[in-house]
Amino acid sequence: NAGVTQTPKFQVLKTGQSMTLQCAQDMNHNSMYWYRQDPGMGLRLIYYSASEGTTDKGEVPNGYNVSRLNKREFSLRLESAAPSQTSVYFCASIGTSLDEQFFGPGTRLTVL
Amino acid sequence: QKEVEQNSGPLSVPEGAIASLNCTYSDRGSQSFFWYRQYSGKSPELIMSIYSNGDKEDGRFTAQLNKASQYVSLLIRDSQPSDSATYLCAVRSGSARQLTFGSGTQLTVLP
Repeated sequence: NAGVTQTPKFQVLKTGQSMTLQCAQDMNHNSMYWYRQDPGMGLRLIYYSASEGTTDKGEVPNGYNVSRLNKREFSLRLESAAPSQTSVYFCASIGTSLDEQFFGPGTRLTVL
Repeated sequence: QKEVEQNSGPLSVPEGAIASLNCTYSDRGSQSFFWYRQYSGKSPELIMSIYSNGDKEDGRFTAQLNKASQYVSLLIRDSQPSDSATYLCAVRSGSARQLTFGSGTQLTVLP
C-alpha cells in the first residue's frame, strides 16, 4: 500500500502559468480532499469529492478547479497561477470510518 | 470568525512533563473531533479522535471533550523530545465529511 501519493513534490511557476497537481490513493476510499497550508493559517479546504463523480467547493476555491478522474485519482488545477497561490498543497482521503484519514506528502508550490 | 481556535504557542515543556493542548470551536452542532501531529516539513498524521463527552486514552495521549463548553483538549503524558511538532485540532460539523482545522499549536519538548 502506497497510501496517498502526490506529484510533483516541488514546483516553481511564473505568474499566469498553469499546472495540475496529481493525487492518487490506493485504499479504496470514497472521499478525497485538497487543502492548502500557509504559515499560521492551518489547513484550509479548497475542494473535496465525497464520491467518484462528485466535487464540491470548500473554503477557498477561487482560482482552482478539480477533477475526480476515477475513485483513485483527484487532481487540482491552477489555470492562471498567482503569487497568492504560493503554498503547500495537501491531498487527503477518508475511508468509511472518519478514523481512516490519510494525507499525502504535500506539494510545495512557489509562484513568482 | 475562525470556527476552530487554538493557541498558536509556542508551548515548551520539559521532558517527562505533561503537555496540555487546547482547542475551542464555535459550531454547537459539531459531532467529531480530531487531533493531528505535524512534524516540520511533513504532512499531518491523525493521532486521536473523540466523538463523545469525556476522556479517551491511547497510550501517552488523552483527548478530552466537553461539548457544553465547546472545548476539546489533548494531553501528552511523559512528553518526549520526539513529541516536538505542531498539533492541529479539527472538527467535523453536521453530516458533511468536511473538517475545519485550527491553525495549530507548536509544541517543543526540551531534553
